[in-house]
Amino acid sequence: DTAVSQTPKYLVTQMGNDKSIKCEQNLGHDTMYWYKQDSKKFLKIMFSYNNKELIINETVPNRFSPKSPDKAHLNLHINSLELGDSAVYFCASSQGPSGDYEQYFGPGTRLTVT
Amino acid sequence: LAKTTQPISMDSYEGQEVNITCSHNNIATNDYITWYQQFPSQGPRFIIQGYKTKVTNEVASLFIPADRKSSTLSLPRVSLSDTAVYYCLVGAGNTGKLIFGQGTTLQVKP
Repeated sequence: DTAVSQTPKYLVTQMGNDKSIKCEQNLGHDTMYWYKQDSKKFLKIMFSYNNKELIINETVPNRFSPKSPDKAHLNLHINSLELGDSAVYFCASSQGPSGDYEQYFGPGTRLTVT
Repeated sequence: LAKTTQPISMDSYEGQEVNITCSHNNIATNDYITWYQQFPSQGPRFIIQGYKTKVTNEVASLFIPADRKSSTLSLPRVSLSDTAVYYCLVGAGNTGKLIFGQGTTLQVKP
């Protein structure tokens, strides 16, 4: 009965490849997010969707493309992977998009680009 | 844009009260302040949230002065299991502004 789940948990791939990370939440939330955590543990928001619509799109290379097929899913596709993309990617969800809602985070996907 | 600044690390002993302060000088009117806890190899977990004054729940208190340019997370009587990284998050979400601090690594010693 995991609230926010991500697959895969670990992803090792070579530069230039294309990969996807999947996220699902069973909390009935309207808003979902993708965060990147670098090696210094700095957390930075990448995207946010509310009711399947993109509401936050931070300065992220257009090689990163989020897709929300429905409110319970927000997937992240990455094209032409680069060494600097190595990080832990967290998915999160909340009841609504405003800052007064608690966010529930997934366990993270550790991406290693070689 | 509210830039958030926290101490990089803190040490404490079991049973002590720990206060971690986050500075957010450019906080906007609509911004809320939220604190998260993160253990190794896990996602961040919500601790407490506030807008102004003081908020208390079963695990922590959050103090926010009138000018809201800083906030202090207070953990009463910490234990070894409170060793983690603590993040403050400032933002309004629907305006596209969600800014995490760089995190404070709290080490609780016996």
